[in-house]
Amino acid sequence: DVKVTQSSRYLVKRTGEKVFLECVQDMDHENMFWYRQDPGLGLRLIYFSYDVKMKEKGDIPEGYSVSREKKERFSLILESASTNQTSMYLCASSLPSRGTQYFGPGTRLLVL
Amino acid sequence: GENVEQHPSTLSVQEGDSAVIKCTYSDSASNYFPWYKQELGKRPQLIIDIRSNVGEKKDQRIAVTLNKTAKHFSLHITETQPEDSAVYFCAASKTGNQFYFGTGTSLTVIP
Repeated sequence: DVKVTQSSRYLVKRTGEKVFLECVQDMDHENMFWYRQDPGLGLRLIYFSYDVKMKEKGDIPEGYSVSREKKERFSLILESASTNQTSMYLCASSLPSRGTQYFGPGTRLLVL
Repeated sequence: GENVEQHPSTLSVQEGDSAVIKCTYSDSASNYFPWYKQELGKRPQLIIDIRSNVGEKKDQRIAVTLNKTAKHFSLHITETQPEDSAVYFCAASKTGNQFYFGTGTSLTVIP
């Protein structure tokens, strides 16, 4: 059974802080994704990665960066958190070209 | 890039009735269309998917139809039950790697 975990379920940060969100998957999936989920806007792709040290921008990469140093781990970094980055962040993983994405439980981030 | 539109944004049905959620996509190269269900406070999970070489797929009470010419696909839930209450997301992909999601439909099944 695929397991995708995220480092925190809830996080409160101050404006300007550097924020790290971490995602780990245990199924040896090549693909990993970071989405942002906001009411009425659905799931919007921030960044994705096809392999270690590989990354591609999604639809809303501004204000975010990512790191994938190991296959099982994909980190989302908010260099300088802003209030408009308050949101639910979902990580996902999948095999290449196989479709099914397996999601983590999400991190609800509040930036004050 | 791809643009996926999903309607309605909210849907209420009586228990036992059917529910239909519709999505349209813009990129004719998209060939894989999954549907995800997200229960309150939980992660999205795949419930059914369809590929472009198939017009319809059914799994018990849920079915998905695809009209490639019109570039739209729909989720059908029959004999709805309270546990079907959730947010449903459609998505489209042409590579099976990157996905474009709809904005979600909040389905409420009234007992």
